[in-house]
Amino acid sequence: DAGITQSPRHKVTETGTPVTLRCHQTENHRYMYWYRQDPGHGLRLIHYSYGVKDTDKGEVSDGYSVSRSKTEDFLLTLESATSSQTSVYFCAISDPGGGRETQYFGPGTRLLVL
Amino acid sequence: SQKIEQNSEALNIQEGKTATLTCNYTNYSPAYLQWYRQDPGRGPVFLLLIRENEKEKRKERLKVTFDTTLKQSLFHITASQPADSATYLCALLTTSGTYKYIFGTGTRLKVLA
Repeated sequence: DAGITQSPRHKVTETGTPVTLRCHQTENHRYMYWYRQDPGHGLRLIHYSYGVKDTDKGEVSDGYSVSRSKTEDFLLTLESATSSQTSVYFCAISDPGGGRETQYFGPGTRLLVL
Repeated sequence: SQKIEQNSEALNIQEGKTATLTCNYTNYSPAYLQWYRQDPGRGPVFLLLIRENEKEKRKERLKVTFDTTLKQSLFHITASQPADSATYLCALLTTSGTYKYIFGTGTRLKVLA
């Protein structure tokens, strides 16, 4: 398995509180991604990073921010959690270009916002 | 708008038969198309990648076709087994500047013994 960990694995929080999810990789991959997965919607891209301090928005970025200060860590922050952000969040890594287009996923974080 | 569609309904097939899953897309010009397997409570796992200039790719019991004219990929599992039961996701990799993966909603496959 690719070396990707996510923390926490489960979290329950209240509406309006800030939440930070962490993704850590040991593969030195250039790209890191945050997705959310909801029934009927599949995996939707929130934000991604293509290098340290280089990030861009995905299709569902409203209400989320990210930071990448080191190659190995990619943080996803919900500034003020809402019930609509209850979901399973997956981090993924890849090193595309040169035939390394495979994406490797972390185990996921299950977030419940009450 | 840009869309990727997979059969949203579950696919049930008998063990030993060939399962065929469909992925259709609109308004993309992907450089690559990938298929992933996802088991309940787990992250997706990469299975196969096919490039835009390839028609077909095989790996053991798996076969993927890619028709850029029809904007469709077919994913086949031959001699299916109950252990193949899972959700299968297709994903397009777009390469305009940076690399982004766009996923379909997935098709749940159940192989009946």
